[in-house]
Amino acid sequence: QVQLQQSGAELTKPGSSVKISCKASGYTFTSYDISWIKQRPGQALEWIGAINPGSGGTGYNEKFKGKATLTVDKSSSTAFMQLSSLTPEDTAVYYCARGRRVGNYWGQGVMVTVSS
Amino acid sequence: DVVLTQTPSILSATIGQSVSISCRSSQSLLDSDGNTYLYWFLQRPGQSPQRLIYLVSNLGSGVPNRFSGSGSGTDFTLKISGVEAEDLGVYYCMQATHAPYTFGAGTKLELK
Repeated sequence: QVQLQQSGAELTKPGSSVKISCKASGYTFTSYDISWIKQRPGQALEWIGAINPGSGGTGYNEKFKGKATLTVDKSSSTAFMQLSSLTPEDTAVYYCARGRRVGNYWGQGVMVTVSS
Repeated sequence: DVVLTQTPSILSATIGQSVSISCRSSQSLLDSDGNTYLYWFLQRPGQSPQRLIYLVSNLGSGVPNRFSGSGSGTDFTLKISGVEAEDLGVYYCMQATHAPYTFGAGTKLELK
């Protein structure tokens, strides 16, 4: 069965960077884009961007350019998102999902907390 | 960016009641390829969102048929025909016609 397994919660300091992962299984990794979505506590969802695991091609929401960097490791069927220059406004749950248009398979989410 | 306005923001219902949620877009969601990329998701407390409806009116895999979607252009509706306890949570519409893809602010369905 299709699964997206995300890495564990992160507690980081302002100004630092964090890299979270999303390991795919149960399907051909290069056949579907991986999207990333942000959800601040009690808030709605925001589409950050997506990556094509086959080509490495990316598409970003302008709001997250310079903040998020999407990469993949095809050998381990894992997608990564690095968040840089972290501020308290980056405190959120970050989800990965299969498909550029965000399909019916989501990871469990990673809570990233930015606090001094 | 496309703004999706969901109403109501909170919906109180009894078990068995039929309810509807509206999602209005700031611009048409009809794509040049003829598809309308409007989706509905349910996020239960503490869980990841689950896709209920895709392309306006297509039921997702394993989704009960008490859920239905309709609409076109800029006006869309999700209907639940007979609310069940497992339907409680926050409903989001999402558009994937115009980048960046955007979500509505959500409608919380709670028990009356």
